[in-house]
Amino acid sequence: LAKTTQPISMDSYEGQEVNITCSHNNIATNDYITWYQQFPSQGPRFIIQGYKTKVTNEVASLFIPADRKSSTLSLPRVSLSDTAVYYCLVLGNQGGKLIFGQGTELSVKP
Amino acid sequence: EAGVAQSPRYKIIEKRQSVAFWCNPISGHATLYWYQQILGQGPKLLIQFQNNGVVDDSQLPKDRFSAERLKGVDSTLKIQPAKLEDSAVYLCASSLVGTGLAYEQYFGPGTRLTVT
Repeated sequence: LAKTTQPISMDSYEGQEVNITCSHNNIATNDYITWYQQFPSQGPRFIIQGYKTKVTNEVASLFIPADRKSSTLSLPRVSLSDTAVYYCLVLGNQGGKLIFGQGTELSVKP
Repeated sequence: EAGVAQSPRYKIIEKRQSVAFWCNPISGHATLYWYQQILGQGPKLLIQFQNNGVVDDSQLPKDRFSAERLKGVDSTLKIQPAKLEDSAVYLCASSLVGTGLAYEQYFGPGTRLTVT
């Protein structure tokens, strides 16, 4: 299973765009890149998943370069409610074990 | 659609006591997971069920932890006897099977266990 590396913490202000980059140098051909979000006192919540190039949904965008050794989660115009821990994971196309790292603790300030 | 339900939400016990947690997954989800999340860390998978069979329990401390999933629906996780280091949030999650893609897991709110 590919190991991921991401910043431990980030600070931002309301209305700014936040980009969280994750490194996954030994990603396998069949692996997908998946991001989860966890608010305090709640379980993690799936926010986006991609294989290559760019994926966008109502919550975020995910940018994946051609070599797939890294990915960037982009949160447009963050608000206070986006304060959470964001986890980057890679896993195969048959699902399987989610291995969570420490995640990135995003703090959004007014 | 109802989410993953867990109870209790909070539990305080003394070391060497026993405790049990209950989980009801989303209807129709064949795969169920139990995670342990220690403060400041990401969740760690303890056990994975598919229907009522165990798929992965490699990180379950089997000398004190046990889990079962009756009739492939509800599940219980038990700790007996508890140690101080078991203080954590215990998360239950469920997912569909057979989509062919990396499965989205849906998590419950967790049970916060404090062992004194």
